[in-house]
Amino acid sequence: QKEVEQNSGPLSVPEGAIASLNCTYSDRGSQSFFWYRQYSGKSPELIMFIYSNGDKEDGRFTAQLNKASQYVSLLIRDSQPSDSATYLCAPRGPAGKSTFGDGTTLTVKP
Amino acid sequence: NAGVTQTPKFQVLKTGQSMTLQCAQDMNHNSMYWYRQDPGMGLRLIYYSASEGTTDKGEVPNGYNVSRLNKREFSLRLESAAPSQTSVYFCASSEGGLAGGGQVAKNIQYFGAGTRLSVL
Repeated sequence: QKEVEQNSGPLSVPEGAIASLNCTYSDRGSQSFFWYRQYSGKSPELIMFIYSNGDKEDGRFTAQLNKASQYVSLLIRDSQPSDSATYLCAPRGPAGKSTFGDGTTLTVKP
Repeated sequence: NAGVTQTPKFQVLKTGQSMTLQCAQDMNHNSMYWYRQDPGMGLRLIYYSASEGTTDKGEVPNGYNVSRLNKREFSLRLESAAPSQTSVYFCASSEGGLAGGGQVAKNIQYFGAGTRLSVL
């Protein structure tokens, strides 16, 4: 089992829809969770982090964490073509390292 | 404020050649990382340095060496390049420190623009 599993893509949604990106992790010691966005040919950039169970909202983005189920998700409301990118989930373990998932590629169609 | 700077941006090597990828950050961060990213895949950690003077292996360290030259600089060396090392290499840095609660922001990683390396 991979340390971090993300839902297989590519994911395609129409403009204005909700995009749902999922991530499961195997290390129960993971304490904080990061979502990075990576545009094609560019480097990753942070869009959200969460460390407490429940929801965290930032504009059109909502991160959801369930430590008991070892599951973290990212919802993008009112999806825009500019949201088209690869989204990487990165749990951070107690040793200080982050392990990245393979990413889910999202395409938002106008 | 340049953030994380990587050099070179592109490099083509022949099998067996050696080279060093350079990385420097100007954010006074404690922790620095080297990743590789193969097409359609996520980032795999090669080596990291939690603080100046320390380095540790990541997921895929074979064929690489690193040097944390000072707090700002963290270099990655390929001693004898192989075609399997063709990839995009990213350097990242973070403030480092406690992992939980209000200190989580210290673990945000900031990435350089990447080095695209081809080994023929």
